[in-house]
Amino acid sequence: AQSVTQLDSQVPVFEEAPVELRCNYSSSVSVYLFWYVQYPNQGLQLLLKYLSGSTLVKGINGFEAEFNKSQTSFHLRKPSVHISDTAEYFCAVRFNAGNNRKLIWGLGTSLAVNP
Amino acid sequence: DGGITQSPKYLFRKEGQNVTLSCEQNLNHDAMYWYRQDPGQGLRLIYYSQIVNDFQKGDIAEGYSVSREKKESFPLTVTSAQKNPTAFYLCASSASPGPPNTDTQYFGPGTRLTVL
Repeated sequence: AQSVTQLDSQVPVFEEAPVELRCNYSSSVSVYLFWYVQYPNQGLQLLLKYLSGSTLVKGINGFEAEFNKSQTSFHLRKPSVHISDTAEYFCAVRFNAGNNRKLIWGLGTSLAVNP
Repeated sequence: DGGITQSPKYLFRKEGQNVTLSCEQNLNHDAMYWYRQDPGQGLRLIYYSQIVNDFQKGDIAEGYSVSREKKESFPLTVTSAQKNPTAFYLCASSASPGPPNTDTQYFGPGTRLTVL
């Protein structure tokens, strides 16, 4: 079955420290990969996406992610976090098989940035 | 301003009542989606529609109904048959499946439904 795993449900980090939020997926078919951010009581906002081409993708707010096909991973990174980065982060994958246009979602990682 | 609007932001209903959540988009997107979000469970797909007058059940469609009479609108009705309707509901839309958008989903601000 196709699945997406976010390996950490909660990540506490100090301000200005680097952070990595991990995302792995199952399946060997081609994929499109997405990271979204959700602030409390709001909708989801697209951070970045990988469709094709360079495996290092840069997004908004200083985030970047690297697609690793052999490890079926798409980890999100930021070299120096701010208090304002405190939010829930979701990884989503579209598995490109047939006419299925659904995204498969991870359960989310709660990033808490402490002063 | 282009985007997706959901109304109302907060909604209260009594047990046994049906309630309809609104979702409107002016992005000219073909596809629209309804998700339910509960703490620690991520996003679960309720229904989606890839074209006007057509929609498909998602993973948790029981107790919900939708319609897609216009491209811009995809209302969700939470019926009295839904056993645990209290949740945060998110609507999303996406353009055609081909490049450059390739089904990137864009979200509304959400509606928090509480059943009293």
